[in-house]
Amino acid sequence: RKEVEQDPGPFNVPEGATVAFNCTYSNSASQSFFWYRQDCRKEPKLLMSVYSSGNEDGRFTAQLNRASQYISLLIRDSKLSDSATYLCVVNRDAGNMLTFGGGTRLMVKP
Amino acid sequence: ETGVTQTPRHLVMGMTNKKSLKCEQHLGHNAMYWYKQSAKKPLELMFVYSLEERVENNSVPSRFSPECPNSSHLFLHLHTLQPEDSALYLCASSQDSGTVSDTQYFGPGTRLTVL
Repeated sequence: RKEVEQDPGPFNVPEGATVAFNCTYSNSASQSFFWYRQDCRKEPKLLMSVYSSGNEDGRFTAQLNRASQYISLLIRDSKLSDSATYLCVVNRDAGNMLTFGGGTRLMVKP
Repeated sequence: ETGVTQTPRHLVMGMTNKKSLKCEQHLGHNAMYWYKQSAKKPLELMFVYSLEERVENNSVPSRFSPECPNSSHLFLHLHTLQPEDSALYLCASSQDSGTVSDTQYFGPGTRLTVL
């Protein structure tokens, strides 16, 4: 089983749509969770951290379910500029050693 | 954005060549990382340095040799690579390597092709 699993997509959605990505992780000792965004041929950039209580940043909402070892990202009112690959990231242990999922590709169409 | 810079951006090398990748961070961070991103595969952590000391070597072949002369610079020395080593090599830095929630900031990467 992969340490961090994501549906690779692509998810093709029209502008204005709401889209959700899911991610599962295998290490129950993981303590920190993140969503990174990676544009084509660019480096990953932090989109948002994921907290146990769930958190929202504008059109983006992240949720964590520790019991099910499941993380989600919801994007509302999709923009063309949201087209990218979204990486689910989990820290391996007590340190800052990150494990990346393979990414979910989102394509927002006009 | 110039927080983490990497040179060269592109590199083509033969299997018998020796080359080095360079990373520099201007964020005052104490930890630096090398990652490998191959096509169709997730980012893989290769090496971690904290205050110039290696704290993690993720079972990387010895043909990859890291060097961290100070907390702002990180090198990856390459020798006798294989074609399957062709990938995007990403450098990252964070305030500390032991703090679970420290954000890692990535450089633009070096796209390496081994012929």
